[in-house]
Amino acid sequence: DTEVTQTPKHLVMGMTNKKSLKCEQHMGHRAMYWYKQKAKKPPELMFVYSYEKLSINESVPSRFSPECPNSSLLNLHLHALQPEDSALYLCASSQADRGPYGYTFGSGTRLTVV
Amino acid sequence: AQTVTQSQPEMSVQEAETVTLSCTYDTSESDYYLFWYKQPPSRQMILVIRQEAYKQQNATENRFSVNFQKAAKSFSLKISDSQLGDAAMYFCARGGYGGATNKLIFGTGTLLAVQP
Repeated sequence: DTEVTQTPKHLVMGMTNKKSLKCEQHMGHRAMYWYKQKAKKPPELMFVYSYEKLSINESVPSRFSPECPNSSLLNLHLHALQPEDSALYLCASSQADRGPYGYTFGSGTRLTVV
Repeated sequence: AQTVTQSQPEMSVQEAETVTLSCTYDTSESDYYLFWYKQPPSRQMILVIRQEAYKQQNATENRFSVNFQKAAKSFSLKISDSQLGDAAMYFCARGGYGGATNKLIFGTGTLLAVQP
């Protein structure tokens, strides 16, 4: 299995809703990443988990809450989002000691906040 | 700031022709990786080619090759025999050695159109 699977593919949520994005990989990668991508812009790093521990938080607002319950799964919990949070959310994984050398990206979740 | 610059927001090429996408970067490190990623409308970021900075030989993957000029901090992508499926956003990126906390820094992207 050489894929990163993200669910759901599309999500529409109200500003008072709570929802979660899920990312799963079975490549034995011990580093996982969340990126946010606005239309026609490059991805922006949000969080990095290494060996299931949060290594980097790029000053992301607390309405985004990451969770890495095991080495294969990464969640992003969403609460009280704003319309400007509408974006494509990409998950990626890599070997923890290789970092950028061997990223595998998922297909993303297209999030719309109404 | 360590940046990656793509000066061509949009490019167009005829099917079967060759196109070159430009990328320059800034870094104070001596060892690093450089990448070209492709993002088609399907949204997934796909690795096209990567280069390790210590290697002088330019990387090649089938129809894709790079011109890596370390002193000039330049890393261009050449696509030969362009195909309709090559139409996508292309991002140049730089990453450091040493593990997951080394960030992947992306350029602003070049939108490539392929004309039949």
